[in-house]
Amino acid sequence: AQKITQTQPGMFVQEKEAVTLDCTYDTSDPSYGLFWYKQPSSGEMIFLIYQGSYDQQNATEGRYSLNFQKARKSANLVISASQLGDSAMYFCAMREGYTGGFKTIFGAGTRLFVKA
Amino acid sequence: NAGVTQTPKFQVLKTGQSMTLQCAQDMNHNSMYWYRQDPGMGLRLIYYSASEGTTDKGEVPNGYNVSRLNKREFSLRLESAAPSQTSVYFCASSEVGGAEYEQYFGPGTRLTVT
Repeated sequence: AQKITQTQPGMFVQEKEAVTLDCTYDTSDPSYGLFWYKQPSSGEMIFLIYQGSYDQQNATEGRYSLNFQKARKSANLVISASQLGDSAMYFCAMREGYTGGFKTIFGAGTRLFVKA
Repeated sequence: NAGVTQTPKFQVLKTGQSMTLQCAQDMNHNSMYWYRQDPGMGLRLIYYSASEGTTDKGEVPNGYNVSRLNKREFSLRLESAAPSQTSVYFCASSEVGGAEYEQYFGPGTRLTVT
């Protein structure tokens, strides 16, 4: 079974608008971390934001926020005020604290296109 | 700080050839990782090293070996390259392996096996 599911292979957004990238996860480990990474066309992986399973509040980092709905096992990334430089591949990932060892599990990614 | 560095950036091999991908980090991290990224897929863990002196298999270890040379360096070796190993390889490091510790990635090595 897929542990990380990103159902949107591609998304379009108009510059300056907000966009939500979906991510659902599956784990029975009570301790886990959720991460979002950005991969621009140049290929590097850039860490964006982290949400811990015990965190009471949604994580925010500048224009990025994570809409964490624990009961629904979803961890959607919200990018506000999109910029042309946000065009990239975005990966959701999870690390399981007790059962996962050192493994980070990645979703298949969502390619975001920002239109001028 | 250079972060995580990888060499080479690009490599073309013939089937059956061997090569070693090098990775080094200058953040004094304990844990290091090797991933591969195939088109249309997320990253998959090949091997990891929880701390200096230890290595363990990840999700897709077949055809690879690793060496944690010291705390800074973690190399990945392909003994007999196959076309199925054509991929982009990323090295990463983290402070330790807990669920809350983010991983820092190198720039990647694009490997083609013909």
